[in-house]
Amino acid sequence: DGGITQSPKYLFRKEGQNVTLSCEQNLNHDAMYWYRQDPGQGLRLIYYSQIVNDFQKGDIAEGYSVSREKKESFPLTVTSAQKNPTAFYLCASSTDRALEAFFGQGTRLTVV
Amino acid sequence: SQQGEEDPQALSIQEGENATMNCSYKTSINNLQWYRQNSGRGLVHLILIRSNEREKHSGRLRVTLDTSKKSSSLLITASRAADTASYFCATEAAAGNKLTFGGGTRVLVKP
Repeated sequence: DGGITQSPKYLFRKEGQNVTLSCEQNLNHDAMYWYRQDPGQGLRLIYYSQIVNDFQKGDIAEGYSVSREKKESFPLTVTSAQKNPTAFYLCASSTDRALEAFFGQGTRLTVV
Repeated sequence: SQQGEEDPQALSIQEGENATMNCSYKTSINNLQWYRQNSGRGLVHLILIRSNEREKHSGRLRVTLDTSKKSSSLLITASRAADTASYFCATEAAAGNKLTFGGGTRVLVKP
């Protein structure tokens, strides 16, 4: 089955730690996105990538980093510089024209 | 800042009634899309309307787009309890492939 998979579903981070969220897709999509969602809020764009080995900052990139070494994978690292990382993180992919985005089931990150 | 803003933020209706929500955006777009999110889950694409279209239908969904007012509406007809979810509009800016979401409308359909 084609789809987009995020792991883990729940993640706990100690203050000062870096953590990496996984996102894998087998839809052969060129574009991939990371969004952050806070309770009762909309989605804010962190980073996006339109092609392998290239990515652009979104609206709230500070404290986050990404890589796009393979078409299928777009991992997100939440660094210690992100002061308020507790949130629901959503990964999505689409064809190169962003005509329809497919979403993973999300990773809920909590700082403990 | 978010490109799209939905109105109302929350909506409560009885089963069988219609639900209407609106989205306003700020910059020129290639297309506007509506998504649905069940609590704690990922988003699911519902419908896309291109900038040169004014109305589109899909099952019980009807979407309109007014580019002169930079606004769109989503109508769900004959709502069901299973329609309870949050609904988001998203725009692809004319300048590129960035897909930007609004704040969403939370819809509660009471049986």
